Amino acid sequence: DAKTTQPTSMDCAEGRAANLPCNHSTISGNEYVYWYRQIHSQGPQYIIHGLKNNETNEMASLIITEDRKSSTLILPHATLRDTAVYYCIVRVLGGSEKLVFGKGTKLTVNP
Amino acid sequence: DGGITQSPKYLFRKEGQNVTLSCEQNLNHDAMYWYRQDPGQGLRLIYYSQIVNDFQKGDIAEGYSVSREKKESFPLTVTSAQKNPTAFYLCASRTAGDDGRQPQHFGDGTRLSIL
Repeated sequence: DAKTTQPTSMDCAEGRAANLPCNHSTISGNEYVYWYRQIHSQGPQYIIHGLKNNETNEMASLIITEDRKSSTLILPHATLRDTAVYYCIVRVLGGSEKLVFGKGTKLTVNP
Repeated sequence: DGGITQSPKYLFRKEGQNVTLSCEQNLNHDAMYWYRQDPGQGLRLIYYSQIVNDFQKGDIAEGYSVSREKKESFPLTVTSAQKNPTAFYLCASRTAGDDGRQPQHFGDGTRLSIL
């Protein structure tokens, strides 16, 4: 029951920008978009989140379209350590505040 | 360093045995969560707690139990009633903000296997 769709896999050359798309066409007006990544056998790592404005932190940038139906996570200079599964999540409001993880995008950064 | 510590990293359970997975956080977070992840699958919520001495069932609570006696600790017991316990178990926590937008942060997980 994930509310997002992402490509199954993507490749990126080391040092180049990695742009990971996500569709969330049924997002509600007050629902945030979160991005996490998971390296094999580790817990998910929080990257960034946003509501409607573009956001940037030390790890990445998040670009959200004006209609909020899609977003793009940008890793500006990908390194080999960025190889991971990236999850785009629209957080369920109220109740448990649980995160619903879909299958994510497997990003492979190549030397 | 502040963070979420899960132990042990690997755990083996015999048939009919209960096992307890530890989750400790020193982030002063109010809410804590337990998720289960199966190979190639997303996370599924087992139990959550938004305040000490209170917790609620998630989507797959059958065969599991929890307690929240202290703010920093949220142990999960996998009972013998859980017939398919082999999975990767993840604990998470977050601050309870007014609008609930604070992100959850995760530990590094416990991998449980059946002997």
